[in-house]
Amino acid sequence: GAVVSQHPSRVICKSGTSVKIECRSLDFQATTMFWYRQFPKKSLMLMATSNEGSKATYEQGVEKDKFLINHASLTLSTLTVTSAHPEDSSFYICSARAHTGELFFGEGSRLTVL
Amino acid sequence: AQSVTQLDSQVPVFEEAPVELRCNYSSSVSVYLFWYVQYPNQGLQLLLKYLSGSTLVKGINGFEAEFNKSQTSFHLRKPSVHISDTAEYFCAVSGYGSSNTGKLIFGQGTTLQVKP
Repeated sequence: GAVVSQHPSRVICKSGTSVKIECRSLDFQATTMFWYRQFPKKSLMLMATSNEGSKATYEQGVEKDKFLINHASLTLSTLTVTSAHPEDSSFYICSARAHTGELFFGEGSRLTVL
Repeated sequence: AQSVTQLDSQVPVFEEAPVELRCNYSSSVSVYLFWYVQYPNQGLQLLLKYLSGSTLVKGINGFEAEFNKSQTSFHLRKPSVHISDTAEYFCAVSGYGSSNTGKLIFGQGTTLQVKP
């Protein structure tokens, strides 16, 4: 089946630094990818919709300058957490939409900001 | 706009017992419905989905769910659970047809704890 890969799976960084998380569709092209954030014991919150070749669409309450999303190709979207702080620590999950409309999720990336 | 409510945050059950995880949704348009499973520190795996047709949907790992439009429910069931079914389960909804942007709205999740 289709595979979506996220990298890194775990990252620890110091407060004030920026962290980039990659989401790749390995065997299909995805014009649309989605970024979710999951707090401990909580549901997934949609952060933004990433469209190839255009600006991401952010959900209400999500800081676009804080969470930079780039969808430079049909198989790669990146989420950069800028000037990270401990409250940004979370599990970030991406999903990619195939041309059939089916969604495939990545394995998630756990960010810990010290 | 859509919303999803999972009525139970935790469901403890003994191994080989049946289980039902409840999910209700709210939407002003027709919807697609999904159940996902998440194991610790992992992404989401699709268990099953309802798009159209038969209201009883069978998925992987012996799970099934029934779409009930009048009750706006999509409860997940398994007749006999295993220890390996211990995980977090999420119900999700997306818009139907032209309203389907691919965005999923998730419920709060239900932790299934299978005890030996």
